[in-house]
Parts: sequence; structure tokens; C-alpha cells
Amino acid sequence: QVQLVESGGGVVQPGGSLRLSCLASGFIYSHYGLHWVRQAPGKGLEWMAFIQYDGSDKYYADSVKGRFTISRDNSKNTLYLQMNRLRSEDTAVYYCAKDLGGYQHYFDSWGQGTLVTVSS
Amino acid sequence: EIVLTQSPGTLSLSPGERATLSCRASQRVSSSFLAWYRQKPGQAPRLLIYGASSRATGIPDRCSGSGSGTDFTLTISRLEPEDFAMYYCQQYGSSPFTFGQGTRLEIK
Repeated sequence: QVQLVESGGGVVQPGGSLRLSCLASGFIYSHYGLHWVRQAPGKGLEWMAFIQYDGSDKYYADSVKGRFTISRDNSKNTLYLQMNRLRSEDTAVYYCAKDLGGYQHYFDSWGQGTLVTVSS
Repeated sequence: EIVLTQSPGTLSLSPGERATLSCRASQRVSSSFLAWYRQKPGQAPRLLIYGASSRATGIPDRCSGSGSGTDFTLTISRLEPEDFAMYYCQQYGSSPFTFGQGTRLEIK
């Protein structure tokens, strides 16, 4: 079955950097688009970033554009999120999610999430 | 950016009753590219509906979606204990692929 396992979360100071990873299994990784979605404590879901199946196309939410970079390594079945210039409002659980391919950017599988805390 | 507004914020109902959740978009959602998710505390969201009205794998037919354009509805008939949770709509017709703020379905 599909599995997505995030890692790399932790506590980081404002202005710092962190890289999240998401290891995938159970499906043909190089065929599907992948996303990062976050959820601040007690808040709703916020879509962050998308990367096409081959890495050729990327989209970002305005709130992270220029600070966060999404990438993938299809040889390692791994998705990444490089987060720079972190702010307190970036504190959240970060989920990776798989879409259905093509233009079907809804999410049929999610990881369990990794918590990022931005605090001094 | 398409803004999704869900209503009501909280819905209090009893098991066996019918729930109607609304999701209104600030612009037309192309090709009815709208999905619904359920999230329980401490868990990742789970896909319920995609394409406005298609049920995801394993979702019972008590759960149905409808709508097009800017107005969408999730209906859950004969509420069971597992249905009491947070519900989010999401549009995926254009980036950014935004979520609504959520509706909490609680036991009355």
C-alpha cells in the first residue's frame, strides 16, 4: 500500500533553515505529482507547494515563495522541502501528499506529518 | 487566488441525522475540480470526494458531494460516530490549490 513518511522536523530559530524529507513507497513514484501541505497548531490546512512527476514544474503558495524550495529525487523515491528564512508563522505540522497525476491535484495519500517549530 | 468559504463553522447534530456542509468559492472552480477531506484529531486528512461528486475508495454511499461553479455541498446521511470530525474542501482547478477554513461536525 502507499506509504509516505516525513522526517526532518524540529525546533529552529527565526531566520534559520530546515530541510524536510518524505520517503515514498507502494506506488510508481516517478509517475505522480507531490505536494507539501501544512497545518499550524489548532488551525486549518494550508497548501504550500507542488512538484510535477518529473520535477519539470513547481508551484508555491505566496506565503512561502522565494523562501521555500520543493524538489524530488526519483532515484530515491524522496520528496524534499528546503525551508529558509523561517518565521514564527511557519510553525506547523508539515504533510507530504500524493496527487492522482495529470491535472488531478487532489490528495489520495498523506504522510503522518512532521512538526516544525520556529522559536527562539 | 480562489478563496473557499465553508459554512457553517460548527455543525452540531445527533447520530442518525443528516449533515449538509457548504463550500463557496470566490471564483468559478474549473471542471468541478473540488475535493472534500475529513480529518480526525491527531490524524492526517482523508480523501472523501473528488471531482465534486465522485466518492474515493472505501467511502460509503452515505457520503455524497454535489455542486458546480462556485457552490458545492457535502452531504452525510445517517450520521455515525466516525463522521464527527473536521471537514475541509479544496479546489485544485488552479494554483494555489486552496483549502477552505473547515467545518467542525460535532455530536449534539
